[in-house]
Amino acid sequence: EPEVTQTPSHQVTQMGQEVILRCVPISNHLYFYWYRQILGQKVEFLVSFYNNEISEKSEIFDDQFSVERPDGSNFTLKIRSTKLEDSAMYFCASSTGQGIYEQYFGPGTRLTVT
Amino acid sequence: GQQVMQIPQYQHVQEGEDFTTYCNSSTTLSNIQWYKQRPGGHPVFLIQLVKSGEVKKQKRLTFQFGEAKKNSSLHITATQTTDVGTYFCAGCSNYQLIWGAGTKLIIKP
Repeated sequence: EPEVTQTPSHQVTQMGQEVILRCVPISNHLYFYWYRQILGQKVEFLVSFYNNEISEKSEIFDDQFSVERPDGSNFTLKIRSTKLEDSAMYFCASSTGQGIYEQYFGPGTRLTVT
Repeated sequence: GQQVMQIPQYQHVQEGEDFTTYCNSSTTLSNIQWYKQRPGGHPVFLIQLVKSGEVKKQKRLTFQFGEAKKNSSLHITATQTTDVGTYFCAGCSNYQLIWGAGTKLIIKP
């Protein structure tokens, strides 16, 4: 069964550094998402991406964040100048359509900012 | 902004007891999805409800969508250890999924 993959599984970085989290969505999916989950808390929507541009973003997704689809398979989340409060699990998801279509989640990248 | 409130935050049950989680939206939803996240895992899609008043069952799980399409519930009958995890509802409004905070199902030892 096709699945969403994410790398790395765990990333440790120092405060102020930039990180890039990588995702490979399911190949025939058209919509891509990033979510954040601080340990033990709710899943928070960050951004959705379609047709090589951002379609929706939350208040969390400020200028510190950016997304990119650098080639036909990868979907990346860049966090500039990381802060301690960016420590969380970051999930990538993809779907065939928007809204009524189920989202398939990757296993997540645990980001630890020290 | 649009919100989906989900309660309770936690529910402790003895194995074999029932479990219920409720979601309420501040706005009318076009549909609602339910996901389960096992401890240490990622959210996994369970089901989607679209029609007003819809009820769907998956074995011991019963999902309901309110008549006004603003609330939903998930009921698990006779919980088992495999049911442990956090259950999230996610309501769709204007093509965006708005997630509830989740209800964590804990089985008492």
